[in-house]
This record gives sequence, structure tokens and C-alpha cells, in this order.
Amino acid sequence: NAGVTQTPKFQVLKTGQSMTLQCAQDMNHEYMSWYRQDPGMGLRLIHYSVGAGITDQGEVPNGYNVSRSTTEDFPLRLLSAAPSQTSVYFCASRSNRRRGGYNEQFFGPGTRLTVL
Amino acid sequence: KNQVEQSPQSLIILEGKNCTLQCNYTVSPFSNLRWYKQDTGRGPVSLTIMTFSENTKSNRRYTATLDADTKQSSLHITASQLSDSASYICVVSAHGGSQGNLIFGKGTKLSVKP
Repeated sequence: NAGVTQTPKFQVLKTGQSMTLQCAQDMNHEYMSWYRQDPGMGLRLIHYSVGAGITDQGEVPNGYNVSRSTTEDFPLRLLSAAPSQTSVYFCASRSNRRRGGYNEQFFGPGTRLTVL
Repeated sequence: KNQVEQSPQSLIILEGKNCTLQCNYTVSPFSNLRWYKQDTGRGPVSLTIMTFSENTKSNRRYTATLDADTKQSSLHITASQLSDSASYICVVSAHGGSQGNLIFGKGTKLSVKP
């Protein structure tokens, strides 16, 4: 299993540009989510999905869109990039089946985004 | 408000020494507590997950404790190695199953020096 994969690893955008961060998992996990990580702050949830065709907003959803057309893929779209979106973005997935009372969450390697 | 506080913010120790990282939480209703290790430039990797009924859990040189009464957890690292240099993140899950029920601490940055 490749686990959770993310592309690209690095990206530089100009203010106003749009782009899509890709995320894929091969573990057949129902739950997928996007987080951003900024210096001095904990990981913050942007959007999440509990299954194909179902998405919901997290703590900081403004400026981002998501869709979940397949179980494997969960892309994150920046519609009009702003400097405040400079951050490291992590995708994560987990099963909805619990083992021993919990279900482990797996993170991707991250995408480092800079918006000029 | 559900919160997870970690201390210290950063820590420097010599190789071979032990250290303990703290996590206090005010998450309710509590489901489980997780410790992650995040190497620089990488995604977090799970070290241990503890449910309400578990007081101590070990994973190689890492030992996590949980006191559900005082809402405190600790991560003890024994005989530290240079590869232990990383950020350690405490995450508390509230009952409900939603992805939004994972509350993240800001992490403790550990540096192990030779």
C-alpha cells in the first residue's frame, strides 16, 4: 500500500491564481480530510468527507472547495489564492471501522504552498 | 470549549537522556487520546492511541500515560536518540465520529543533541 499520497510537494502561486492540491489513498478508507498547519498553531481542519459524494466544512473552510467523486481521491481547490493561504497542507484518511475502540488516522507527506 | 494544551513548547536534551512531554485537555465527551510524531518536512505518524480505560501504553522507547480523571496525558521517551528529534502532537478525540471531533495540540518540539 502506498498509503496517503499528495501532489505536488511544493507550489508557489501568485495572488489570485487557482490550483488544485491532489490527495489519494489506497486503503479504502471512508473518511478523508484536509488540514493546514501554520507555525505556532495546531493542525486545523479545512474540509472533510465521510464517503464518496459527501463533504462537510471544518474549522477554516473559507477560500477552499472540495469534492469526493471516488473513495480514493479527495482534491482541495484554491479558487483565488491569497497570501493568508501560505501554509503546509496535509491530507489524512481513516477507516470508519474501529479496532479496539478507535480508528487510526494516516497522514500524507504534505504540500508546502507559498502565495506571493 | 474543547482544548488541548501541550508543554513544554520546545525542549532540548542530550542523546541518551530521558524526557517527558505533557498534554492537558478539556475535551468532552472524551473518546480517545493520540500521540503523533512529526519529523521536519513530513506528515504526522501515529505513536499510540489510548482509550478511556487505558492508563499506560508503550511503543518501543515511547510510553504514554493517561489520567482520565485529571484529563492529563504524558509521553515519556527513554534513552533518547538523535532520530527522536521531531515535533510531538497530542490529539484528543471527542465522541461523535465526525472528523471535526479531533482536537489538536500545538505540539512540543524536541531536539536531541549529541
